[in-house]
This record gives sequence, structure tokens and C-alpha cells, in this order.
Amino acid sequence: EVQLVESGGGLVQPGGSLRLSCAASGFTFSSYWMSWVRQAPGKGLEWVANIKQDGSEKYYVDSVRGRFTISRDYAKNSLSLQMNSLRAEDTAVYYCARDHGFTRDYWGQGTLVTVSS
Amino acid sequence: QSALTQPASVSGSPGQSITISCTGTSSDVGGYNYVSWYQQHPGKAPKLMIYDVSNRPSGVSNRFSGSKSGNTASLTISGLQAEDEADYFCSSYSSRSTHWVFGGGTKLTVL
Repeated sequence: EVQLVESGGGLVQPGGSLRLSCAASGFTFSSYWMSWVRQAPGKGLEWVANIKQDGSEKYYVDSVRGRFTISRDYAKNSLSLQMNSLRAEDTAVYYCARDHGFTRDYWGQGTLVTVSS
Repeated sequence: QSALTQPASVSGSPGQSITISCTGTSSDVGGYNYVSWYQQHPGKAPKLMIYDVSNRPSGVSNRFSGSKSGNTASLTISGLQAEDEADYFCSSYSSRSTHWVFGGGTKLTVL
């Protein structure tokens, strides 16, 4: 059974940093692109970033490029999102998702990031 | 403001059919057959219901179907059931710098 479990969310002040993690199991982690998608309170979904199977390609939404870094750890079957220079508008539930072709077929339960003073 | 436009809400009675639209541009919905639909119950993770415009993942009821015409994709749910009450989001690949775009979501109410 495919499982994605996010962790690392919390309350952080504007300008601060946070690192999210996603533990993957039930599939061959190294065979899939992986994504982060976020959802601000009461709002729609927004794709944030994704990373290729071997980590050689990474893509970001314009609003986070240069502040967020996506990475993966094959030994731990883990996906990460390092978030720096956080802003109030980054407040959201962050979901880890497995990319399959041109869709995201499995999602985690999400972790809440709140940026506030 | 979301890149793809969906109605804020739709409703239907049990047993009826409803259709949710998702309108984009030639840079996303109209340019690629890579539209997906997700179901999200309150406080839960999104669940993939339709991918590549009209394909259903294993385990998804055949009451759910997808289609596309021009820049507009549609999700149809037939034989509405109480459990279908949820938010539905569309998504598409985009040729713009934001590779993936989503709709703002549609709240389905089963009356």
C-alpha cells in the first residue's frame, strides 16, 4: 500500500525557515517524480515544486523559486522541502504527492505551516 | 486567483447526475490531454478520480467520468450518492513556467 506521511510543519515567524519531510513507503521511491502541493486555508490547491527520480531536475512555482528547495533521500525513502524567508502567504497545508505520468496519484495527509508573528 | 476556473458550488439530489466544468486556456487545458480531477473531503487528502482527461484509476467508481472540449474540461458524476459530497478540484499541465495549474475547487452538495 502506498503511504506518504508528512512532518515538520508548525508556527514560524515571517522571515524564518522550516524543513518539511515526507516519508514514502509501499512503492519504489526512486522510480517516481515527487511533488509538493499546498493549500492555503479555505483556498484551492497550488503546485509548489517537483523533483525527478534521480534528483537531476527540479522545478518550482515562481512564488517560491529561490526561497524553497526540494530534495530527496533515497536511503530513507524521504522527500524534503527546505523553506527559507517564509512569508505570511506561505501559510498552508503542504501535501507530498507521487507523480505518475502527468498527474499526482497518491497524496499524504498534509502538514500545516503557519507563518505569523 | 486560480489559473483554472471552476464554479464555486454545484448541487444535486441522490440518483441525479451533475457536471463540473473547468475552464483554462490553450496553454493548459486546451493544449494538452493532461487534465486530472481530485475529490477532497473536509480535512482529508485529495484523492485522484480522473487523469488524462477521461481515465479512471483502479478502484474509482464508473459513476465518475471526464471529458474535454476546447479549453474546458468537465467532470460528470452520475447516480449521485451522499458520499460524493466533497470538494472537487481540476488540474492541468501547463506550458507556462508554472508547470501544473489547479482550479479553485467546486463544492458539491448532495441535497
